[in-house]
Amino acid sequence: SAVISQKPSRDICQRGTSLTIQCQVDSQVTMMFWYRQQPGQSLTLIATANQGSEATYESGFVIDKFPISRPNLTFSTLTVSNMSPEDSSIYLCSVVLGQGAQHFGDGTRLSIL
Amino acid sequence: KQEVTQIPAALSVPEGENLVLNCSFTDSAIYNLQWFRQDPGKGLTSLLLIQSSQREQTSGRLNASLDKSSGRSTLYIAASQPGDSATYLCAVTGRLGTSGSRLTFGEGTQLTVNP
Repeated sequence: SAVISQKPSRDICQRGTSLTIQCQVDSQVTMMFWYRQQPGQSLTLIATANQGSEATYESGFVIDKFPISRPNLTFSTLTVSNMSPEDSSIYLCSVVLGQGAQHFGDGTRLSIL
Repeated sequence: KQEVTQIPAALSVPEGENLVLNCSFTDSAIYNLQWFRQDPGKGLTSLLLIQSSQREQTSGRLNASLDKSSGRSTLYIAASQPGDSATYLCAVTGRLGTSGSRLTFGEGTQLTVNP
């Protein structure tokens, strides 16, 4: 399996600000994903981070709110823009490895005041 | 649209018991099914992956089964230990080419194993 590192692990932010979350993988992977886990709920896919092209967003998520970069096959960022208390969640990146299994980073716990 | 349901939502058992967690999904056209474990405040740890052509997978005290035609999977934990206490999540992947590798998650089963 790969080592997936997310930064920051947690943050407390002011309303109206933006935060960029980084995801680093120790091997090249084709597919990377960003998920959100709201308090007490399961995970919801935000978008697929595509290397060299725009991310593919799921219904209910838009690029202006959650811009994503994927400059190479080992790194991606997710920005949460113009944050409000409703954005308080755990944000997780994942990658697909051999046999189609998805593996997750430890997540970024975000609280908005 | 794929929907995944997990039963029960919470389970509390004494140490040493064998237990079964249930997962059901509405669309049987899946690529694979994964079971994950999530500890409080942590990310997800992959436990078992079952391909759509397989019926079960085993890892240590864990055994996962898949009945694709009926849209069901079970996770069997043998001889439970307090360290098994966590939330267990079931997730299915749609067929490649239709929904890529998008995972659809259930709501999870919160397991507590009491010493």
